[in-house]
Amino acid sequence: DGGITQSPKYLFRKEGQNVTLSCEQNLNHDAMYWYRQDPGQGLRLIYYSQIVNDFQKGDIAEGYSVSREKKESFPLTVTSAQKNPTAFYLCASSIGGLAGVVNGELFFGEGSRLTVL
Amino acid sequence: KQEVTQIPAALSVPEGENLVLNCSFTDSAIYNLQWFRQDPGKGLTSLLLIQSSQREQTSGRLNASLDKSSGRSTLYIAASQPGDSATYLCAFLDSGGGADGLTFGKGTHLIIQP
Repeated sequence: DGGITQSPKYLFRKEGQNVTLSCEQNLNHDAMYWYRQDPGQGLRLIYYSQIVNDFQKGDIAEGYSVSREKKESFPLTVTSAQKNPTAFYLCASSIGGLAGVVNGELFFGEGSRLTVL
Repeated sequence: KQEVTQIPAALSVPEGENLVLNCSFTDSAIYNLQWFRQDPGKGLTSLLLIQSSQREQTSGRLNASLDKSSGRSTLYIAASQPGDSATYLCAFLDSGGGADGLTFGKGTHLIIQP
């Protein structure tokens, strides 16, 4: 079945550690996104990528890094510079890329919950 | 950037009732809007997508409408069931092409009482 797979589902980090969250999609979508969700707040965009080897900062990129070496993969690294990393992280994808958004419909993975110990 | 407001923040109704969830936005220059459902600890599931040229979309017991002139969208749920209990989020893709994705509301937490 086509979809978006995020791993791990749960992750614990010690202070000062970097951790990487995986996001893989087999929908053949050009665009991929990382959002952060905190209780009582809407989803906030961390990074997005419209095409392989290109990505852009979102609203809250500080303390995070990404790569887009393959169309189907968009991993997110939460670095030690992120002061409040405990959150629920959601990866998404859509058809639209640099050729323009087709219909913009966004599809999400099941999320990864990161907790700082 | 768009501001998206969802009212009410929480709603609890008996099973079988028809209900309406509201979503308002500040700028009518939108490309499309999307309604999602989120179960606790899970990702978002797309329910309905309305293109800017459309007024409404229907899927089963769900109907979503879009009124750009008034800056509002509504999600109508008919004959509610306990399985409809979840958080419902609306999100807009702006007319700039949406390269940076959607702007989300904070959601309405819905409880359907058996």
